[in-house]
Amino acid sequence: EVQLLESGGGLVQPGGSLRLSCAASGFTFSSYAMTWVRQAPGEGLEWVSAIGVSGGTTFYADSVKGRFTISRDNSKNTLYLQMNSLRAEDTAIYYCAKDRNSGSGSYDYWGQGTLVTVSS
Amino acid sequence: QSVLTQPPSVSGAPGQRVTISCTGSSSNIGAGYDVHWYQQFPGTAPKLLIYVNSHRPSGVPDRFSGSKSGTSASLAITGLQAEDDADYYCQSYDSSVSGYVFGIGTKVTVL
Repeated sequence: EVQLLESGGGLVQPGGSLRLSCAASGFTFSSYAMTWVRQAPGEGLEWVSAIGVSGGTTFYADSVKGRFTISRDNSKNTLYLQMNSLRAEDTAIYYCAKDRNSGSGSYDYWGQGTLVTVSS
Repeated sequence: QSVLTQPPSVSGAPGQRVTISCTGSSSNIGAGYDVHWYQQFPGTAPKLLIYVNSHRPSGVPDRFSGSKSGTSASLAITGLQAEDDADYYCQSYDSSVSGYVFGIGTKVTVL
């Protein structure tokens, strides 16, 4: 059974940093691109970042470019999102998701999400 | 403001057919990029409903169908059921932002 379990969310002050993790199991993690998607309270989905199977290829939404860094450790079956210079508008539930087929841009499995709150 | 436009809400009685439009442009759907659809219930993660314009993952009922034409795509739900009351999002790639984009989402209400 495919499972994705996010962790690392919490309350952080504006300008602060957080590192999210997504522990994957039930599939060959190293064979699939992975993605982070967020959802602000009461709002829609926003694609944040994606990473290729080896970690050598990364993509970012303009809203987080230069502040967030996506990475993965295939030996630990874990996806990460390092978030720096956090702003109030980064407050959201952050979901990690697995590409159905690497490069497809469709996500067939999602974690339960971790809440990030940026507030003083 | 999303580059993919969806109606904020649609509604229908049980058994009826409803459609949700997803209107894009020449930098996303019109450029030939695939459209995917997700269903989301309050407090839960999204679920992949349709991938690559019209394909259903295993386990998704065949009353859900997707199509794409020109710069738009549509999700149809036939034989609407109470359990279909949820939010629905379309998604595609957009070359102008070099990333994936979601529609604003459509709330389907079963009357």
